[in-house]
Amino acid sequence: SQQGEEDPQALSIQEGENATMNCSYKTSINNLQWYRQNSGRGLVHLILIRSNEREKHSGRLRVTLDTSKKSSSLLITASRAADTASYFCATHNAGNNRKLIWGLGTSLAVNP
Amino acid sequence: DAGITQSPRHKVTETGTPVTLRCHQTENHRYMYWYRQDPGHGLRLIHYSYGVKDTDKGEVSDGYSVSRSKTEDFLLTLESATSSQTSVYFCAISESTSGRYEQYFGPGTRLTVT
Repeated sequence: SQQGEEDPQALSIQEGENATMNCSYKTSINNLQWYRQNSGRGLVHLILIRSNEREKHSGRLRVTLDTSKKSSSLLITASRAADTASYFCATHNAGNNRKLIWGLGTSLAVNP
Repeated sequence: DAGITQSPRHKVTETGTPVTLRCHQTENHRYMYWYRQDPGHGLRLIHYSYGVKDTDKGEVSDGYSVSRSKTEDFLLTLESATSSQTSVYFCAISESTSGRYEQYFGPGTRLTVT
C-alpha cells in the first residue's frame, strides 16, 4: 500500500527558482528517502534522513523531517533544466527495513 | 546503474504465455526486489528476496512467482501473462544493513501483453 503522499502532484518552475516538494506518511518510520526518476529510466537515490534527524543537506538538496507531523520536504535550490524529473519519497517503517513504502511522486518541470 | 542489469529491456507477448524477466547484480547485495510501475499507482512491490532461496511477497504478488538460486540473479516469472500485467518492471537491490538502506535500481523492462 502507498504510505507516502507527495504534494504537489506536479510542479512547473523556471530555471534558477527553488522547488519544494512535500511528503506525508502515516506510521512511525526508521528513515525516509527521496528518489529521482528521469523519464524512461530507473530511480536514483538522492538522500536519506533518519527518524532522529530533522534536516539534511546534499549539494543543492535540502531535506527536512517533522516526525510529529509525519511529513518531509525536499527543497531543490537554484533549479536547472536537468532537474526535470519525477521525485518520490519512500519510507522504511519502524521495525521493518526490508521494504520501502512508496509515494506516488511529484512531477517537476524546470523550464529554461 | 550500480551494477544492475535487467533482461530483456523490452518484450511483447501474448495473453496466456509464460514470461520470465531476469535481474542480475554485480554488487553482492543481499536484498533484491521486483517492482512494477504504472501511471497513477507509482511503484508497487511484487516480490523481494532477502537471500538465496529466501523470498517473500509484496503487495501485488498474485500472478507472479520469483526465484533466487544465486546471490546475483533474481528471476520474475509471469506464469500466464494477462493484459493487466502490461507494465514497466524494475529490479532493485539493497544491503539494508549497517545503515545502508538505500535501494539501487536497474534500467527497467517494458512488458506489453497483447
